[in-house]
Amino acid sequence: EAGVTQFPSHSVIEKGQTVTLRCDPISGHDNLYWYRRVMGKEIKFLLHFVKESKQDESGMPNNRFLAERTGGTYSTLKVQPAELEDSGVYFCASSQPWETTIYFGEGSWLTVV
Amino acid sequence: GDSVTQMEGPVTLSEEAFLTINCTYTATGYPSLFWYVQYPGEGLQLLLKATKADDKGSNKGFEATYRKETTSFHLEKGSVQVSDSAVYFCALSGGTGRRALTFGSGTRLQVQP
Repeated sequence: EAGVTQFPSHSVIEKGQTVTLRCDPISGHDNLYWYRRVMGKEIKFLLHFVKESKQDESGMPNNRFLAERTGGTYSTLKVQPAELEDSGVYFCASSQPWETTIYFGEGSWLTVV
Repeated sequence: GDSVTQMEGPVTLSEEAFLTINCTYTATGYPSLFWYVQYPGEGLQLLLKATKADDKGSNKGFEATYRKETTSFHLEKGSVQVSDSAVYFCALSGGTGRRALTFGSGTRLQVQP
């Protein structure tokens, strides 16, 4: 069974540009999460989808970040315009509704220069 | 809100040494507790978990016991290997009814031959 997949694995963009990160959760997982780890600090929650609905977006840092999950399958996280402090690793994760375990992807490493 | 505190790193050990990484938490209710590991160049992997008080999670020689009276979930291994070198994250979920994980800041372990 395929795990959580993320694309791109690495991205280098200039300040002010736009980047879109994609996440494909494990098939059948209704819960989808975005997290990020900035500058070696702790991993912070961004938001949580249940199917196509945003269950909790309390961790989104500001309105430069837009997450979508069309049709309740894959999700995208767009950063527009990117700032230097957005550099870090963006993790996507998914889980079944009845499970406590959350499965992570390998992360999308974003560098804003 | 929920929070997780884990010991600062890096922790440097010789091969076959005993490992302890301390983790304490603050949460309302009855959270589930997790240890995740990130090996160099890879994503987050679930190492072990415990879902109720006094449960012991174990995997790959690592163990952690859910101690509600001390709000702790310390990670231990009797004999570390060079291949255990990684960043270890303690995390919890469900403390306030929230499904998303709350992470500690991570502890880097370096095992020398």
